[in-house]
Amino acid sequence: DVKVTQSSRYLVKRTGEKVFLECVQDMDHENMFWYRQDPGLGLRLIYFSYDVKMKEKGDIPEGYSVSREKKERFSLILESASTNQTSMYLCASSPGAGASLEQYFGPGTRLTVT
Amino acid sequence: AQKITQTQPGMFVQEKEAVTLDCTYDTSDQSYGLFWYKQPSSGEMIFLIYQGSYDEQNATEGRYSLNFQKARKSANLVISASQLGDSAMYFCAMREGLTGRRALTFGSGTRLQVQP
Repeated sequence: DVKVTQSSRYLVKRTGEKVFLECVQDMDHENMFWYRQDPGLGLRLIYFSYDVKMKEKGDIPEGYSVSREKKERFSLILESASTNQTSMYLCASSPGAGASLEQYFGPGTRLTVT
Repeated sequence: AQKITQTQPGMFVQEKEAVTLDCTYDTSDQSYGLFWYKQPSSGEMIFLIYQGSYDEQNATEGRYSLNFQKARKSANLVISASQLGDSAMYFCAMREGLTGRRALTFGSGTRLQVQP
């Protein structure tokens, strides 16, 4: 069974704090993704990575950065958290280059910034 | 322009009846894939079904089928014989191109409620 885990289910941070969201997958997947989910907007892509140390911006990268030092781990960093970054964050991974391959999602982290 | 449009924010269906969740998409690529995911209240995203742009037959997976109409750019999900456990958010998504090294673009979702 593919497993994608995220470091926290719920997180409360203060405005201006640096926030790390960790994602780990255990199936040797090449591709990893960070999305945020907001009501009425669906999932929007923040960043993705298709190899170690590689990263590509998604649709809403502003205010975020990422790190992928090891194949199994993809971190999302909020350099200075703001209230408009209160959201559900979902990490996903997928194997190789096959176009038909679905993404496997983690359980999500609900982040509240006060 | 929206790449994936789900026009039904919420739907109700009686248990054991069939229901269709609408999805239209917009792409200039000839090669693309369409996905449906289910998100129960617990929050996890569950993959349901996939349709490739070159697939001639509609995809089916158990009680789920995908009504793919390429000319109309629609990829509706049909759930037959609805069950109470089908109550969830449903997302349509698209991957453009022939490589898995691309993210999915998601619609805004449809919340389905199955009534006993």
